[in-house]
Parts: sequence; structure tokens; C-alpha cells
Amino acid sequence: AQTVTQSQPEMSVQEAETVTLSCTYDTSESDYYLFWYKQPPSRQMILVIRQEAYKQQNATENRFSVNFQKAAKSFSLKISDSQLGDAAMYFCAYRSPLTGNQFYFGTGTSLTVIP
Amino acid sequence: DVKVTQSSRYLVKRTGEKVFLECVQDMDHENMFWYRQDPGLGLRLIYFSYDVKMKEKGDIPEGYSVSREKKERFSLILESASTNQTSMYLCASTLPRGTQYFGPGTRLTVL
Repeated sequence: AQTVTQSQPEMSVQEAETVTLSCTYDTSESDYYLFWYKQPPSRQMILVIRQEAYKQQNATENRFSVNFQKAAKSFSLKISDSQLGDAAMYFCAYRSPLTGNQFYFGTGTSLTVIP
Repeated sequence: DVKVTQSSRYLVKRTGEKVFLECVQDMDHENMFWYRQDPGLGLRLIYFSYDVKMKEKGDIPEGYSVSREKKERFSLILESASTNQTSMYLCASTLPRGTQYFGPGTRLTVL
């Protein structure tokens, strides 16, 4: 099974600053999808951003962008101009089209935004 | 917008009780999933389903079963609840190559 590693259990950032959350994964597949999900204290998990492995261009969604390094199997999330509402647990996820479309999640990074 | 709903936000049960957690999605998704979420462990897959009446074990199926009689509904069953099944349970659904959408979660406490 694929493994997804988030090595930073907790991170903090000053409001309006930039923070980068790390994620690495292990796979032998060439075609896959990567995701960042956000889970605020209310617990509803929502999609932040997704990246298709075959695309070289890094995905961006407003203040959120990724640094996808396929050879290094790294997929970090950059949050620019951090806001108080960005405080949440962030999960990195890998989806394999070959193993029944299963999703594999990291253990999460808890982000605190300091006013 | 995709909507995934779960029958309860909070549930308290006693050891040995049979527990049903229900999940409904309104976007005709083929794939549905049940996870449990525990601090420091992330999301762990319990069961998933590709289609009606089809189910596959995930990483931690012991003590759980599932039912999918209709495409939009995926139920998780704890045949005899135990205290170590106290957890947050998340349901999700997706199209075969799509994004996974989650329900709000059910916080289950087994006393």
C-alpha cells in the first residue's frame, strides 16, 4: 500500500505570513492524484487543492499553492497571506487509480494562526 | 454542490450494543468509503464500496461490517460495540477518478 508521510504534526504561522506544510509519499505508480484537505475545528473535511501527477504545472487555488516534485515524491502546500480561518488540521492524501481508487492519508498537520 | 450527510453528529452507545451509522450522498457517486479518525493516526479506511451490494475491506475492517443496498446510501455497522471503537467516523464518496467528498462526521462514544 502507498504511504503518505506528514512529518510536521503541528505548525504555526503569524497572520498575513506564509507557511509551508510538507508531505511525502511512497509509490511505484506513475499515474496518481494528490490532494490537500482541510479539517477546521467544526470537523467537516473539505478539499483545498488537487494535483494530477501527469501535470508538471503546480496547482494553485487563490492563496493556496503546491510544490509538486514528482521525482522526489514530495507534495508541499503553501498558504500565503495566512488568515485566522486557515487554522485547521491539514491532511495530505494520495489516490491510486490502480488499487480501487483508494485514498491514502497522512496523519495530518495542525496549523495554528497567530493574530 | 456535492452533499454527503451522516445520520448523527454525536452518538453515545453502550458496550455490546449494535450500532448503525448511515451515510447518504446525492451526486450518484459509485464509490463510497468509511474511515475512522483518531488523533495522531490520521484517517484509516474501514470499508469501501464500488457499487451497490459491492464492498471491499480496508485497512481496519475487524469489528465492522457494511451494507450498500442503494447507490446513494452506505451504512457502517458495529455488530457489538466496544470501547476501543470510540472514535470519529467519516463517510466519503467519489466518482471513479474524482475528488473525495466527506460528510460532517459522527463522533461515537462507547461506554
